Amino acid sequence: GDSVTQMEGPVTLSEEAFLTINCTYTATGYPSLFWYVQYPGEGLQLLLKATKADDKGSNKGFEATYRKETTSFHLEKGSVQVSDSAVYFCALSGRRGNKLTFGTGTQLKVEL
Amino acid sequence: DAGVIQSPRHEVTEMGQEVTLRCKPISGHDYLFWYRQTMMRGLELLIYFNNNVPIDDSGMPEDRFSAKMPNASFSTLKIQPSEPRDSAVYFCASRNTDSSGNTIYFGEGSWLTVV
Repeated sequence: GDSVTQMEGPVTLSEEAFLTINCTYTATGYPSLFWYVQYPGEGLQLLLKATKADDKGSNKGFEATYRKETTSFHLEKGSVQVSDSAVYFCALSGRRGNKLTFGTGTQLKVEL
Repeated sequence: DAGVIQSPRHEVTEMGQEVTLRCKPISGHDYLFWYRQTMMRGLELLIYFNNNVPIDDSGMPEDRFSAKMPNASFSTLKIQPSEPRDSAVYFCASRNTDSSGNTIYFGEGSWLTVV
C-alpha cells in the first residue's frame, strides 16, 4: 500500500537558518503530494502541493519539488523564522484521490 | 468561504459516557473524512464518505465507534462507550471531486479527553 516516510524530529534551528525536511514515498502510479503544517493547538493547514513529476509547490517561502526518480518531496525554506515553529506533515493522495496517507510528522522549533 | 466546521472544539468526558463529534464540510464538497491524531499513532484515517455514503470504514478501531452522514452538510462520529485510550484529536476534512490536485481541507479538530 501507499506510505510516506519523513525524517525524525524534532529539528531545532536558529532564526534565518536553512531548512530541509526530507520526505520519501511509496505509491503505485502518480500520486499527488502535499505538505501540511500544524501550529500548536491548531488543525492542519495545507502548505503546498504538487500534482505531477517535476512540479514545484511553493508558499510562504517554503518549496518542495516532486521528484519521481527518487520518490521524494523534500520541504525547504531558505531562511526560517520563529513563527515557522510547528509540526510539518508530508502526505500523498493516490490516483483516485480518495484519501491522504500521512507521514509521522516532523516538529520544527526555531529559536532566536 | 467558511471552512470545515467541527464541534465541540474541546470535550472532557468520563469513561463510559457517549461522545458525539460533529462536522459540517465545506459547501459543495462531496467527500468527507474523519481522522484521528495521537502521539503514538500519528494521523489515522478512520472512515470516509462520498456523496453521504460510507466508502471505507476499515480504519474504525472497533464497534464502539460509529459514523453517519445523513446529508451533504453534516456528519457525526460517535463513541459509545468512551474509554481513556480514545483521548485524541479528531479531525474532519472534506474535498471536492473536481478540485485541482485532490486537495483535502481540514477542520480545526475536536480535542477529546476521556478520564
